[in-house]
Parts: sequence; C-alpha cells; structure tokens
Amino acid sequence: KNEVEQSPQNLTAQEGEFITINCSYSVGISALHWLQQHPGGGIVSLFMLSSGKKKHGRLIATINIQEKHSSLHITASHPRDSAVYICAVLLMEYGNKLVFGAGTILRVKS
Amino acid sequence: GAVVSQHPSRVICKSGTSVKIECRSLDFQATTMFWYRQFPKQSLMLMATSNEGSKATYEQGVEKDKFLINHASLTLSTLTVTSAHPEDSSFYICSTARGGYTEAFFGQGTRLTVV
Repeated sequence: KNEVEQSPQNLTAQEGEFITINCSYSVGISALHWLQQHPGGGIVSLFMLSSGKKKHGRLIATINIQEKHSSLHITASHPRDSAVYICAVLLMEYGNKLVFGAGTILRVKS
Repeated sequence: GAVVSQHPSRVICKSGTSVKIECRSLDFQATTMFWYRQFPKQSLMLMATSNEGSKATYEQGVEKDKFLINHASLTLSTLTVTSAHPEDSSFYICSTARGGYTEAFFGQGTRLTVV
C-alpha cells in the first residue's frame, strides 16, 4: 500500500465548477505539500500545510492531522487550471524526505 | 522568491553516452538538493540526496556508479547519467528547500530520451 493515496486519479470538470482533490496518508508527517505540474513537466509548489487551512486566490487547501487527510479545492475552475496536482508528504521519521502521491490529472473544459 | 534553474530541459542522447544535468539555486545557498525521477503516469521517486561538500545519499535500488551526483558548491548540483541506456529515459527533476522544507522549490525538469 502506498504511503500517500490520491483521489481521483483523473478528473474532468466543466469551467466554473468547484473541484476537490483528496489526499490520504498512512504515516506520521511533519508537513504536506500540494504541487502543480503542467504538461511541460515543471512543478510549482502551491501550498505547504502542517495544520488547518490555507487559501490563495481560487485555491484552498485543508488538512486534518488526526484523520491523516488533506483536500485541495479549486473554486470557479478555469481551463488554465488543467494540470496534474500532486500531494507530497514530508515524513516525520525521515527528516526531509518527501513522498509523493501518484497525482490527479485535472482537465477543465470550456 | 527563490528559483531553481535546471538545464537542459530536453536531451536526446545515444545509448552508451553520458548526460549531465545541472541544477542551480539562484537566490539562496542550497546545502541540500534532491534528485527525483518520474516515469510516465507515475509519481516522482527520490533517487538521491546531495549535500554540498559531501557524498550523496542514494535511495535503495539506485546505482550510484550510474547516476553520479556532484554538489561542489552551494549553488550547483549536477546529476550525470553514465553509459545511458533506453531504460534510463525518464523525466528527472531536482528540488531544494529552506526552512526545513517549509518552502520547496523545484527545477523545471529534464526530459531524457536515450536512443
């Protein structure tokens, strides 16, 4: 079983829809990152969470440490949001080792 | 903010040759650089951790003689794929962090194709 599980694997949405991507993990973590990877491959860090909730523009990320679960929400989705969204956890046991989920491929249609 | 610059973005090489990938930290001194590999439709896998001035730490299953990592300065880490084979074709990406990975920065990635 992977230490980090993401769902869904693929998601197609209509422009304007509210989108939720989920991430569950099975180990103790010190932090969780949400990353965005565009078709060219480049990766951008969207959020780093250790507790609670963060918001940046149309993106909202939440984490529940007790339930070992995090969600990334996109409000008023737009075709330019189409990308792969990756959840990565910083393992408490291994210092700075990041373990990545498989990613969620999001396509937003206009 | 800090920027990590990775070069080249794409490279095609012949089987048996070596390829060097560079990763530069432009805005701050990166004492640690992480190298990842990503196969199509799979998640990133950590290959090795390089620390400035010391030997890299390789993950289990990664051949240190094949994937040579050098971190000679606080702003430059290099990954050399030696005697490349078609199965080494992959997407390689570097990453660094500051503040105990509270801020994570990624290179643009290198798409390696070995023919």
